[in-house]
Amino acid sequence: QVQLQESGPGLVKPSQTLSLTCTVSGGSISSGDYYWSWIRQPPGKGLEWIGYIYYSGSTYYNPSLKSRVTISVDTSKNQFSLKLSSVTAADTAVYYCARESDYWGQGTLVTVSS
Amino acid sequence: EIVMTQSPATLSVSPGERATLSCRASQSVSSNLAWYQQKPGQAPRLLIYGASTRATGIPARFSGSGSGTEFTLTISSLQSEDFAVYYCQQYNNWLHTFGQGTKLEIK
Repeated sequence: QVQLQESGPGLVKPSQTLSLTCTVSGGSISSGDYYWSWIRQPPGKGLEWIGYIYYSGSTYYNPSLKSRVTISVDTSKNQFSLKLSSVTAADTAVYYCARESDYWGQGTLVTVSS
Repeated sequence: EIVMTQSPATLSVSPGERATLSCRASQSVSSNLAWYQQKPGQAPRLLIYGASTRATGIPARFSGSGSGTEFTLTISSLQSEDFAVYYCQQYNNWLHTFGQGTKLEIK
């Protein structure tokens, strides 16, 4: 059973960079032609797709966030990561990592506040 | 960007009755559409992929249909645990997009 777990700071100051890591267990991030995604959900609102990465390193980003987003993969640690720069209060959300559509992490709340 | 529009925003249905949720795409997404269920404080749960294929462990009362731009999620006989928010998502191209969600509430 594949499991995903997000980790990272729960509080980030405005203008700084949000950094999250997703650790995959129960399967190798390098096996299969899967993509590994980040999705976020502001409090009380809907889901927003951020982007995804293949284990080869190919990435695809939401154009609305593209200038601020970087997704990377570390196959040796079976992890992939999200960096979102120049954050504002509008980036406050629960951030989820997922393997394609089927396996999701539990989510982690990141609050942007001074 | 493909815009996904779900209707209605809120649907009130009694337990045991049938619920029909709609999702429309601004351009064709073929059958590259998924449905998710989300309960408060939980991650979304995949129900349907490929527009009509139930994910592993999903009860048969959940069914999906449609292709192109018009899609439907039907829950044949609502159970108490089915009251939640439902999202559709297209993955036809590299830019995946979600609908805004339909809240299914108890009537």
